[in-house]
This record gives sequence, C-alpha cells and structure tokens, in this order.
Amino acid sequence: DQQVKQNSPSLSVQEGRISILNCDYTNSMFDYFLWYKKYPAEGPTFLISISSIKDKNEDGRFTVFLNKSAKHLSLHIVPSQPGDSAVYFCAASALRIQGAQKLVFGQGTRLTINP
Amino acid sequence: GAVVSQHPSRVICKSGTSVKIECRSLDFQATTMFWYRQFPKQSLMLMATSNEGSKATYEQGVEKDKFLINHASLTLSTLTVTSAHPEDSSFYICSARERFNYGYTFGSGTRLTVV
Repeated sequence: DQQVKQNSPSLSVQEGRISILNCDYTNSMFDYFLWYKKYPAEGPTFLISISSIKDKNEDGRFTVFLNKSAKHLSLHIVPSQPGDSAVYFCAASALRIQGAQKLVFGQGTRLTINP
Repeated sequence: GAVVSQHPSRVICKSGTSVKIECRSLDFQATTMFWYRQFPKQSLMLMATSNEGSKATYEQGVEKDKFLINHASLTLSTLTVTSAHPEDSSFYICSARERFNYGYTFGSGTRLTVV
C-alpha cells in the first residue's frame, strides 16, 4: 500500500522556469511533510517541510504548498537552476501519534533542468 | 546544522560474511534512529526504527535476525547485515531524529555489494 505517491517519475524543465513537483498521500493521519533532494549514492538532503497547520511554506527559491482536503502537496522551485537536477522525494510523518515518527517516502521524481 | 556521519560509504564483502554499518550523530542526541534501504531507481524503504536503549522495531518483511540493529547510545547506532547474500546488495541509509525536534537528518549512505 503506497501511502505517499509521486506519480511523475521524471520532469524536464528549462533553466529559469518554474519546476513543480507533485505528491499525493492517502493516510489522513500524516501531519508533517518534507521534501528531500537526492543524488545517486548519497543520503537525502533536506529541502523544506510543512506542518499540516499551514498551507504554504517558503524558503528562498523553494515553496511547498499543502492541500489537506485533496491530500496533495507540491514543491515549487523558481527559478530553476542546473544544480537543481536530482531526484526529489516527498516524505510524510504522523508526529501526533505516539511511536509513529517514521517517514514514509514517495517513489521520487527525477528533475532535469535544461540549460 | 545537525550532521549524521555514516561509515563505511561503500563495502564489498563475500557471501556468508557479516558487515557492520555505523551511524553517528555528531552534534545532537539521536533519540530515534531509522534505517532504510534503497534499491536502484526505487524509493527509500524503512527497515527498522530504534530508540536509544530499546530494541529496534522492524517493518513487516524485514528479518530481525539478519539485520541486527544496535542503538546503545544517543550518538551511535549500528546495522549489522549477518550472513550476507548477493540479494542483500543495496544502498543502506540511516536517519536520526532528536526528541522534540521535527527534523530528520540523514547519513550519506552505504553501498553494500555482496559477491
């Protein structure tokens, strides 16, 4: 049962334009969401997170939007830069639940920024 | 920021031998440690969760006698792959979390190849 889904395995964007990565989840108990960037043979690097009490969080070029009713979140990167090319993972956690801190990851989306 | 040091970064071992992977939190107390494995072009799959001083909780389908996890101190957790076989070849990643802190810090990963 895939509780966190990233339905686009890959995305190609022109440098300078906006990259939008999408993520859907099924577990209504999830209350904390994170986006990670990952290169091959390296650990994930944290990008940005959002709590379920918010619908938007912004950090520099990165903005995460959360739509709880649709169980959907998205990561916007603007402007996109060649160094943003990587695999992006969406992850979710149910922090309110005792002993349920584990992160559940989506399948990842490979983002390629074209010069 | 928080740093988790994971060693070794890559290891090749013979089938039937055991391999130990270490993760150390360098500037914070890792009250909870998570161990993941990632197969090529797939998501990060949680193997087990361990709290300092307690036995690890394994995810369904993960053999606890094969993947031994020790979290004896607040700064060190180890994963030992016992009697390794070629199908255990994978990328193993640890993640640490400090109590009352929402962040999850990942190690750099270990590429295990069993020949």
